Amino acid sequence: KAGVTQTPRYLIKTRGQQVTLSCSPISGHRSVSWYQQTPGQGLQFLFEYFSETQRNKGNFPGRFSGRQFSNSRSEMNVSTLELGDSALYLCASSLAGVDQRYFGPGTRLTVL
Amino acid sequence: DQQVKQNSPSLSVQEGRISILNCDYTNSMFDYFLWYKKYPAEGPTFLISISSIKDKNEDGRFTVFLNKSAKHLSLHIVPSQPGDSAVYFCAASYAGAGSYQLTFGKGTKLSVIP
Repeated sequence: KAGVTQTPRYLIKTRGQQVTLSCSPISGHRSVSWYQQTPGQGLQFLFEYFSETQRNKGNFPGRFSGRQFSNSRSEMNVSTLELGDSALYLCASSLAGVDQRYFGPGTRLTVL
Repeated sequence: DQQVKQNSPSLSVQEGRISILNCDYTNSMFDYFLWYKKYPAEGPTFLISISSIKDKNEDGRFTVFLNKSAKHLSLHIVPSQPGDSAVYFCAASYAGAGSYQLTFGKGTKLSVIP
């Protein structure tokens, strides 16, 4: 089975721009969650989607949004980028109701 | 408020010895705990988990211990190998609000010295 894929792997943007990141879960997985990893901060939960519905949301500003499509693929969008948004964005998929998350390799976003 | 804490940012261990990584949590609602390992430029990889109804779970060289009264869990790696050098994240969840959101600690960087 193919693992979780994320595109693009690397991205450089400037302040004020917006960005869209994509995640394709493992086949059969209906839950997709997103995490932000910054140096020294661990993984901070952004949001979780299940069957196209946002099931849970972390403590991030409204500039961070996401969606899930009928094929379970998910996108997250960050508008009006700030320098502090530079981070590794990780996507994870799981079977509904199962805690074990399978992570993708992440998208490294750099905001200049 | 950090609900899952890994107080040691780094740990160095000699090859062949035991590595002990610690994790504390504050939310008594947590009922499922996981450990993930992360290499640079890769996503975290699931290692081992434990339910709150158990106090120990073992998988090969990896054992997780849970002390609910102390709200503490630890990961033991025996024997440690150079390939175990990575960042280890502790995570916790509870089935509140119909979601299994994972809350992660900040990680402990393990270096196994040959």
